[in-house]
Amino acid sequence: GDSVTQTEGQVTVSESKSLIINCTYSATSIAYPNLFWYVRYPGEGLQLLLKVITAGQKGSSRGFEATYNKETTSFHLQKASVQESDSAVYYCALSPLVNTGNYKYVFGAGTRLKVIA
Amino acid sequence: EAAVTQSPRNKVAVTGGKVTLSCNQTNNHNNMYWYRQDTGHGLRLIHYSYGAGSTEKGDIPDGYKASRPSQENFSLILELATPSQTSVYFCASGENWNYAEQFFGPGTRLTVL
Repeated sequence: GDSVTQTEGQVTVSESKSLIINCTYSATSIAYPNLFWYVRYPGEGLQLLLKVITAGQKGSSRGFEATYNKETTSFHLQKASVQESDSAVYYCALSPLVNTGNYKYVFGAGTRLKVIA
Repeated sequence: EAAVTQSPRNKVAVTGGKVTLSCNQTNNHNNMYWYRQDTGHGLRLIHYSYGAGSTEKGDIPDGYKASRPSQENFSLILELATPSQTSVYFCASGENWNYAEQFFGPGTRLTVL
């Protein structure tokens, strides 16, 4: 089946340092899935951070960016300089294309980012 | 502003008891979803709905029922709760197209003793 694998557990980064959270996907039932990053801040629900629906394209938001690489089936999340306010749980996800009749997402396990001063 | 609310936010239940988790959305979205999140797992889809009166089984529906009495409300029902259903449950709503953003509630932490 379809699956998403991302950096496990917790990542601790010092403020102003760079971040990368790895995400790879396996889309056996989907030719070119849509790819997403969601973020969950403490006490809140998940919210969309960025999405890319075309292979080869880059999405960006709030200083984060991710590039849809269909050759390596990856969608890594990067930020050049993190802040303490970026501390949250980040989820990589995919969904199928139009006309499949299936609007379900597949989520990764989440990666907790802790930014320290 | 679009909003998805869940109640209760925390729940402790006994094994064999009935539990109802409620979700309300003011987004006027057709689609609604129930997920559970366990450590080491991504959000896993339990049930979803395409509109009032419809419910569909997700990837892990066993032990759960769902009800969508209106556009705004979507409930998850555990008729006979078991300790294995201890988890954090998220409700979400979204438009009825394939790469639509999903809007999530804050989650319900359920503990079954």
